[in-house]
Amino acid sequence: EAGVAQSPRYKIIEKRQSVAFWCNPISGHATLYWYQQILGQGPKLLIQFQNNGVVDDSQLPKDRFSAERLKGVDSTLKIQPAKLEDSAVYLCASSFKRELHEQFFGPGTRLTVL
Amino acid sequence: QKEVEQDPGPLSVPEGAIVSLNCTYSNSAFQYFMWYRQYSRKGPELLMYTYSSGNKEDGRFTAQVDKSSKYISLFIRDSQPSDSATYLCAMSVYNTDKLIFGTGTRLQVFP
Repeated sequence: EAGVAQSPRYKIIEKRQSVAFWCNPISGHATLYWYQQILGQGPKLLIQFQNNGVVDDSQLPKDRFSAERLKGVDSTLKIQPAKLEDSAVYLCASSFKRELHEQFFGPGTRLTVL
Repeated sequence: QKEVEQDPGPLSVPEGAIVSLNCTYSNSAFQYFMWYRQYSRKGPELLMYTYSSGNKEDGRFTAQVDKSSKYISLFIRDSQPSDSATYLCAMSVYNTDKLIFGTGTRLQVFP
């Protein structure tokens, strides 16, 4: 079974630029999560989708972050404009059923904002 | 006060040692407890998942939950250099799948 795919793996941008990350979850997984992991911290949930609907986006900085999951499969997370404090690893995870509490993570995209 | 507290380490042990990793939490509504392992430049992978108080064993790994003390542990027996990674505890309340993670403990097992 293929795992969660993410691209790009690394991205370096200057502050105030925009950036987008892509995630392809495990086939058949209805729930998709985006996490932000700042160096030395645990992952923090940004947004959660069930199919193509948003379940929880309470910790998403909506003035600069946006995410979508068209057709309930792939998802993109965008930051516009980026700030220095957005430097982090952005992890995508998916799960087959929310009730199972088992989330499978992708390798992440490491973002550096200069 | 953070909802989940975890000592960041680093913890350095010799090969073959028993390792104890711990987390404390403040939210008594947490019902599901997980341990994830994260290798450098990789995403976290689920190691253990427990629901009730008590012990759960899987090979060299034992997860322990003490809800009365709001304390969870992960024990690794016969530790190997391949166990060198960051170990993250995570927990969620009943009927939700929103995970709250600890900061992670970096473990190094030297030969």
